[in-house]
Amino acid sequence: GAGVSQSPSNKVTEKGKDVELRCDPISGHTALYWYRQRLGQGLEFLIYFQGNSAPDKSGLPSDRFSAERTGESVSTLTIQRTQQEDSAVYLCASSPKILMEQYFGPGTRLTVT
Amino acid sequence: AQSVTQLGSHVSVSEGALVLLRCNYSSSVPPYLFWYVQYPNQGLQLLLKYTSAATLVKGINGFEAEFKKSETSFHLTKPSAHMSDAAEYFCAVSEGGGADGLTFGKGTHLIIQP
Repeated sequence: GAGVSQSPSNKVTEKGKDVELRCDPISGHTALYWYRQRLGQGLEFLIYFQGNSAPDKSGLPSDRFSAERTGESVSTLTIQRTQQEDSAVYLCASSPKILMEQYFGPGTRLTVT
Repeated sequence: AQSVTQLGSHVSVSEGALVLLRCNYSSSVPPYLFWYVQYPNQGLQLLLKYTSAATLVKGINGFEAEFKKSETSFHLTKPSAHMSDAAEYFCAVSEGGGADGLTFGKGTHLIIQP
Protein backbone atom coordinates (compact mmCIF):
# COMPACT_ATOMS: atom_id res chain seq x y z
CA GLY A 1 0.00 0.00 0.00
CA ALA A 2 0.92 3.65 -0.18
CA GLY A 3 3.44 4.89 2.34
CA VAL A 4 3.83 8.26 3.99
CA SER A 5 4.18 11.01 1.42
CA GLN A 6 5.48 14.53 1.86
CA SER A 7 5.43 17.58 -0.33
CA PRO A 8 7.28 19.39 -1.63
CA SER A 9 10.36 17.20 -1.76
CA ASN A 10 12.57 20.26 -1.97
CA LYS A 11 11.87 23.86 -1.05
CA VAL A 12 14.18 26.84 -1.43
CA THR A 13 12.94 30.02 0.15
CA GLU A 14 14.26 33.44 1.03
CA LYS A 15 14.88 34.41 4.60
CA GLY A 16 11.76 35.98 6.11
CA LYS A 17 9.26 34.12 3.93
CA ASP A 18 6.69 31.69 5.27
CA VAL A 19 6.68 28.04 4.17
CA GLU A 20 4.16 25.26 4.49
CA LEU A 21 5.17 21.61 4.46
CA ARG A 22 2.64 18.86 3.92
CA CYS A 23 2.44 15.28 5.16
CA ASP A 24 0.03 12.57 4.04
CA PRO A 25 0.19 9.68 6.51
CA ILE A 26 -0.63 6.06 5.83
CA SER A 27 -4.39 5.66 5.71
CA GLY A 28 -5.80 4.64 9.09
CA HIS A 29 -2.75 5.68 11.11
CA THR A 30 -3.95 7.72 14.04
CA ALA A 31 -0.56 8.97 15.24
CA LEU A 32 1.50 11.41 13.21
CA TYR A 33 4.93 12.85 14.04
CA TRP A 34 7.14 15.64 12.73
CA TYR A 35 10.93 15.59 13.05
CA ARG A 36 13.75 17.83 11.88
CA GLN A 37 17.10 16.51 10.65
CA ARG A 38 19.87 19.05 10.35
CA LEU A 39 22.92 18.25 8.27
CA GLY A 40 25.10 15.71 10.07
CA GLN A 41 22.76 15.49 13.02
CA GLY A 42 20.27 12.99 14.35
CA LEU A 43 16.56 13.53 14.20
CA GLU A 44 14.99 16.13 16.45
CA PHE A 45 11.41 15.47 17.54
CA LEU A 46 9.12 18.45 16.96
CA ILE A 47 5.50 17.47 17.59
CA TYR A 48 3.07 14.60 17.43
CA PHE A 49 -0.64 14.27 16.78
CA GLN A 50 -2.95 11.68 18.25
CA GLY A 51 -5.92 12.03 15.93
CA ASN A 52 -6.26 15.74 15.28
CA SER A 53 -4.98 16.75 18.68
CA ALA A 54 -1.41 17.76 19.54
CA PRO A 55 -1.13 17.30 23.32
CA ASP A 56 2.39 18.70 23.62
CA LYS A 57 3.82 21.47 21.47
CA SER A 58 6.90 22.12 23.58
CA GLY A 59 9.19 20.43 21.06
CA LEU A 60 8.60 23.10 18.45
CA PRO A 61 11.81 25.18 18.20
CA SER A 62 10.14 28.58 18.38
CA ASP A 63 6.77 30.32 18.08
CA ARG A 64 7.45 30.70 14.36
CA PHE A 65 6.66 26.99 14.02
CA SER A 66 3.12 25.67 14.05
CA ALA A 67 1.42 22.48 12.94
CA GLU A 68 -2.08 21.28 12.40
CA ARG A 69 -3.84 18.14 11.35
CA THR A 70 -7.32 17.81 9.96
CA GLY A 71 -9.60 14.84 9.44
CA GLU A 72 -7.08 12.53 11.13
CA SER A 73 -5.23 12.65 7.85
CA VAL A 74 -3.14 15.38 6.29
CA SER A 75 -0.88 17.48 8.46
CA THR A 76 0.87 20.73 7.67
CA LEU A 77 3.92 22.19 9.35
CA THR A 78 4.17 25.94 8.89
CA ILE A 79 7.30 27.98 9.48
CA GLN A 80 6.80 31.73 9.55
CA ARG A 81 9.52 34.29 8.87
CA THR A 82 12.05 31.59 7.99
CA GLN A 83 15.64 31.91 9.18
CA GLN A 84 18.76 30.26 7.81
CA GLU A 85 18.95 27.98 10.84
CA ASP A 86 15.62 26.49 9.75
CA SER A 87 17.40 24.83 6.83
CA ALA A 88 17.03 21.09 7.35
CA VAL A 89 15.17 18.01 6.18
CA TYR A 90 11.74 17.85 7.76
CA LEU A 91 10.49 14.31 8.22
CA CYS A 92 6.99 13.12 8.89
CA ALA A 93 6.10 9.71 10.29
CA SER A 94 2.88 7.93 11.10
CA SER A 95 1.97 4.89 13.15
CA PRO A 96 -1.21 2.92 13.81
CA LYS A 97 -1.12 4.12 17.39
CA ILE A 98 1.28 5.56 19.92
CA LEU A 99 4.28 3.34 20.72
CA MET A 100 4.01 1.26 17.61
CA GLU A 101 6.71 1.53 14.99
CA GLN A 102 6.74 4.72 12.98
CA TYR A 103 6.78 4.74 9.20
CA PHE A 104 8.68 7.66 7.77
CA GLY A 105 8.12 9.72 4.66
CA PRO A 106 10.96 10.76 2.33
CA GLY A 107 11.18 14.22 3.88
CA THR A 108 11.12 17.79 2.64
CA ARG A 109 14.53 19.41 2.21
CA LEU A 110 14.17 23.08 3.16
CA THR A 111 16.87 25.54 2.23
CA VAL A 112 16.61 29.11 3.47
CA THR A 113 18.82 31.53 1.55
CA ALA B 1 14.38 12.26 30.22
CA GLN B 2 15.38 9.69 27.66
CA SER B 3 18.54 9.90 25.60
CA VAL B 4 20.52 7.82 23.12
CA THR B 5 24.25 7.66 22.50
CA GLN B 6 25.69 6.03 19.43
CA LEU B 7 29.41 5.44 19.71
CA GLY B 8 31.24 6.21 16.49
CA SER B 9 29.85 8.55 13.89
CA HIS B 10 31.56 6.43 11.24
CA VAL B 11 32.24 2.69 11.25
CA SER B 12 34.17 0.96 8.48
CA VAL B 13 34.20 -2.80 7.98
CA SER B 14 35.30 -5.11 5.20
CA GLU B 15 32.75 -6.95 3.13
CA GLY B 16 32.02 -10.27 4.85
CA ALA B 17 33.16 -9.03 8.27
CA LEU B 18 31.08 -8.66 11.40
CA VAL B 19 29.11 -5.44 11.74
CA LEU B 20 28.72 -4.00 15.25
CA LEU B 21 27.02 -0.64 15.78
CA ARG B 22 26.82 0.50 19.36
CA CYS B 23 23.86 2.13 21.07
CA ASN B 24 23.42 3.05 24.72
CA TYR B 25 20.31 4.62 26.12
CA SER B 26 19.05 6.22 29.26
CA SER B 27 15.43 5.99 30.29
CA SER B 28 13.53 6.41 33.53
CA VAL B 29 11.06 3.68 32.58
CA PRO B 30 11.37 0.41 30.64
CA PRO B 31 12.06 1.61 27.14
CA TYR B 32 10.97 0.70 23.66
CA LEU B 33 14.06 0.60 21.43
CA PHE B 34 14.38 0.82 17.67
CA TRP B 35 17.01 0.72 14.95
CA TYR B 36 16.31 2.57 11.72
CA VAL B 37 18.38 2.62 8.52
CA GLN B 38 18.59 5.48 6.05
CA TYR B 39 19.98 4.68 2.62
CA PRO B 40 21.32 7.56 0.52
CA ASN B 41 18.54 9.83 -0.67
CA GLN B 42 15.87 7.65 0.91
CA GLY B 43 13.64 7.86 3.95
CA LEU B 44 14.11 6.06 7.24
CA GLN B 45 13.25 2.38 7.30
CA LEU B 46 12.65 0.34 10.44
CA LEU B 47 15.22 -2.44 10.89
CA LEU B 48 13.98 -3.89 14.16
CA LYS B 49 12.37 -3.01 17.47
CA TYR B 50 12.42 -4.12 21.10
CA THR B 51 9.16 -3.87 23.02
CA SER B 52 9.85 -5.86 26.21
CA ALA B 53 9.42 -9.31 24.72
CA ALA B 54 12.50 -11.35 23.73
CA THR B 55 15.76 -9.56 24.48
CA LEU B 56 17.35 -10.75 21.22
CA VAL B 57 15.50 -9.15 18.36
CA LYS B 58 15.88 -10.17 14.75
CA GLY B 59 15.24 -7.67 12.01
CA ILE B 60 15.37 -7.37 8.28
CA ASN B 61 18.42 -7.91 6.08
CA GLY B 62 20.10 -10.24 8.59
CA PHE B 63 20.47 -7.65 11.35
CA GLU B 64 19.78 -8.36 14.99
CA ALA B 65 20.11 -6.50 18.27
CA GLU B 66 20.26 -7.56 21.88
CA PHE B 67 18.68 -5.59 24.72
CA LYS B 68 20.93 -5.65 27.80
CA LYS B 69 19.28 -3.86 30.69
CA SER B 70 22.33 -4.11 32.96
CA GLU B 71 24.44 -2.34 30.34
CA THR B 72 21.63 -0.06 29.07
CA SER B 73 22.67 -1.12 25.59
CA PHE B 74 20.97 -2.14 22.36
CA HIS B 75 23.84 -2.85 19.98
CA LEU B 76 23.12 -3.78 16.36
CA THR B 77 24.98 -6.65 14.74
CA LYS B 78 25.18 -8.54 11.47
CA PRO B 79 27.49 -11.56 11.05
CA SER B 80 28.63 -10.78 7.52
CA ALA B 81 28.57 -7.31 5.96
CA HIS B 82 27.38 -6.78 2.43
CA MET B 83 28.12 -3.82 0.20
CA SER B 84 24.41 -2.97 0.18
CA ASP B 85 24.53 -2.41 3.96
CA ALA B 86 26.32 0.90 3.47
CA ALA B 87 23.97 3.48 4.98
CA GLU B 88 23.27 5.67 8.01
CA TYR B 89 21.95 3.80 11.04
CA PHE B 90 19.96 5.42 13.82
CA CYS B 91 19.14 4.04 17.24
CA ALA B 92 16.01 5.43 18.91
CA VAL B 93 14.21 5.13 22.23
CA SER B 94 10.65 5.75 23.28
CA GLU B 95 9.29 5.83 26.79
CA GLY B 96 5.74 5.00 27.82
CA GLY B 97 3.04 7.22 26.38
CA GLY B 98 4.93 8.29 23.29
CA ALA B 99 4.39 11.91 24.18
CA ASP B 100 7.97 12.75 23.32
CA GLY B 101 8.00 10.86 20.07
CA LEU B 102 11.18 8.95 19.42
CA THR B 103 14.50 10.21 20.71
CA PHE B 104 17.18 9.44 18.15
CA GLY B 105 20.92 9.08 18.40
CA LYS B 106 23.06 11.13 16.06
CA GLY B 107 23.53 8.20 13.72
CA THR B 108 26.39 5.98 12.61
CA HIS B 109 27.53 5.98 9.02
CA LEU B 110 28.44 2.43 8.03
CA ILE B 111 31.09 2.11 5.33
CA ILE B 112 31.72 -1.24 3.67
CA GLN B 113 35.18 -1.78 2.22
CA PRO B 114 35.43 -4.19 -0.72
